[in-house]
Amino acid sequence: DIQLTQSPSFLSASVGDRVTITCRASQDIYIYLAWYQQKPGKAPKLLIYAASTLQSGVPSRFSGSGAGTEFTLTISSLQPEDFATYYCQQLNSDLTFGPGTKVDIK
Amino acid sequence: EVQLVESGGGLVKPGGSLRLSCAASGFSFSNAWMSWVRQAPGKGLEWIGRIKSKTDGGTTHYAAPVKGRFTISRDDSKNTLHLEMNSLNTEDTAVYYCTTEHDYYFDYWGQGTLVTVSS
Repeated sequence: DIQLTQSPSFLSASVGDRVTITCRASQDIYIYLAWYQQKPGKAPKLLIYAASTLQSGVPSRFSGSGAGTEFTLTISSLQPEDFATYYCQQLNSDLTFGPGTKVDIK
Repeated sequence: EVQLVESGGGLVKPGGSLRLSCAASGFSFSNAWMSWVRQAPGKGLEWIGRIKSKTDGGTTHYAAPVKGRFTISRDDSKNTLHLEMNSLNTEDTAVYYCTTEHDYYFDYWGQGTLVTVSS
C-alpha cells in the first residue's frame, strides 16, 4: 500500500501569509495526487487534482505542484476562510489520504 | 446543482448491521462512479469502497478494513447509492460520506451521516 505523510501536522499563520504544505508518498505516484480542504463539521472540498490542476471555482491563490513522491499545496495569501484542515490523497492504487494539516490562526 | 444526501445513520450495537443510502441529483447518476469515504471522530479520511457505473461494468472495489463486511450497491432508476454494513465493530464509528468519483478523485460530497457502534 502507498503511504502518504504530510508536513507540518499543524501550522499557525496570519491572514496574508504565504503557506506551504508538503505531502510525501512512499513510492512514485506520478502526478496522481489531489488536495482537499475541510472545515469543522463540513464535508471535504476538492481543491486540486492531478497534482496541479485547480478544481473549478477554487480561488487562484491555491496552487499545487510536484510529481513522483513529493508534492506541495501553496496558498499565496491566506484568507480568513482558509483556516481549515488540508488533506492530500493519492490516486495511484487503493485510494488513501494523508493524515492532514491543520491551518490555524496565529 | 449536484446534491448528495446521505441517510440511515444511527446507533448500532457491535456485531449489528446498518444500511446507508445516498440520494443523488443534479447530474447523470447512472454514468457516475460513486464512492463512500468515512471519517472517525477527530480522525482523518478513509476511502472504503466504490461502485463503477453499469456502462463500466458496475463492479465494486473495497478497502481491506471493510472487505467482506460492507457491500455497495446502486439503484440507477432511483438515483440512489447504498452501503450495507454488517458485523459492525467500534472501529466503524464514523461519519460516512457519499461522493462522486472522477478519475479516482472525489469531486462532490454529501453532508455525511454519523454511524455510532456502541453497546
